[in-house]
Amino acid sequence: GQNIDQPTEMTATEGAIVQINCTYQTSGFNGLFWYQQHAGEAPTFLSYNVLDGLEEKGRFSSFLSRSKGYSYLLLKELQMKDSASYLCAVRDGDYKLSFGAGTTVTVRA
Amino acid sequence: GAVVSQHPSRVICKSGTSVKIECRSLDFQATTMFWYRQFPKQSLMLMATSNEGSKATYEQGVEKDKFLINHASLTLSTLTVTSAHPEDSSFYICSAKTPGQGSEPLHFGNGTRLTVT
Repeated sequence: GQNIDQPTEMTATEGAIVQINCTYQTSGFNGLFWYQQHAGEAPTFLSYNVLDGLEEKGRFSSFLSRSKGYSYLLLKELQMKDSASYLCAVRDGDYKLSFGAGTTVTVRA
Repeated sequence: GAVVSQHPSRVICKSGTSVKIECRSLDFQATTMFWYRQFPKQSLMLMATSNEGSKATYEQGVEKDKFLINHASLTLSTLTVTSAHPEDSSFYICSAKTPGQGSEPLHFGNGTRLTVT
């Protein structure tokens, strides 16, 4: 099975940077995903890491260290619309995704 | 591309009735679909994996006789909540995998908000 941990809540100011950490313990690993989810909506894909290192996509970057079972999502130049829940998810060899509990990010003006 | 359509988006039903939720892949053939459930302020929990033409694989603790899954075609999977009770009220989300999928993420439907009164 999978054990995925991430902080429950984070608050940051508009324009700032926030880093959401995720640690995991898995019985199989085939990639780590970050999703954004607004209340009452389905998750939307943000980033994917399968090899160690940093993946950058505009204002969002994600890092993975497989040996440490660790990832982070970096949100830069925060905007009010970035207020949402951010889900760390690990995929196993059968393409099943296991999700962390999510981190609620609140962006304040 | 890779759009997943889920219907209905919201449903309210009375306790004891059954509700069917449809998940369709609109522009690709989904050999595997996944059904998740999400309670308020909690993360998505995988309920079952649905493979076209075969029986679904249920996660531990999910009652297969209560949550009936049918994946009769490469573009449609259905989840039927039988004899629904208030504790089944939740957000149900399906996702689909394209054949040969590598780094692509699973594609999610927009979810179904089920309220059982």
